[in-house]
Amino acid sequence: SAVISQKPSRDICQRGTSLTIQCQVDSQVTMMFWYRQQPGQSLTLIATANQGSEATYESGFVIDKFPISRPNLTFSTLTVSNMSPEDSSIYLCSVGTVTYNEQFFGPGTRLTVL
Amino acid sequence: AQSVTQPDIHITVSEGASLELRCNYSYGATPYLFWYVQSPGQGLQLLLKYFSGDTLVQGIKGFEAEFKRSQSSFNLRKPSVHWSDAAEYFCAVNQAGTALIFGKGTTLSVSS
Repeated sequence: SAVISQKPSRDICQRGTSLTIQCQVDSQVTMMFWYRQQPGQSLTLIATANQGSEATYESGFVIDKFPISRPNLTFSTLTVSNMSPEDSSIYLCSVGTVTYNEQFFGPGTRLTVL
Repeated sequence: AQSVTQPDIHITVSEGASLELRCNYSYGATPYLFWYVQSPGQGLQLLLKYFSGDTLVQGIKGFEAEFKRSQSSFNLRKPSVHWSDAAEYFCAVNQAGTALIFGKGTTLSVSS
């Protein structure tokens, strides 16, 4: 299995500001994903973070709002830009390998926007 | 469209009683199937997975799930529930190399 850390674990931010969330994995992984879990809801895929190229976004999510970087096979960042209270959620990083087709999840970043 | 349906939003079970959580999927091909658990304030933990072979799979914490292709179902079961099993349970599907698609989840409460 992979050990995933996320920073920060939680934050309270003001409307209109941006927050960058970091995801670090203890081994090289093929796939990295970012999910959002709104209060009391299930997980929704935001995007697939591609190493060395632009992320692939799901319907309803755009790069200007959620820019993603993935400079190597063990690290990725998700930025939540120009935040509003509707962005208050848990943001989870997930990693997987094609070989084993298992996805492991980080502990999440709990974001509150005031 | 690919989707996962968990028909039960909230289930309450007495401690020691058996449990079955339902999951149905709609997918173009036979997907890989997963059950995750999320305890309050905790991250997601994989309970079990089905890729192929024996349709009854065993997982951690005494859970098992049965894949039924004819019913497009992958129901989770446990013969005797413990109070510590109270949590949110998510069914998920994917194909190799793709992201997971999650159901809306079932909240399990355990009464004494």
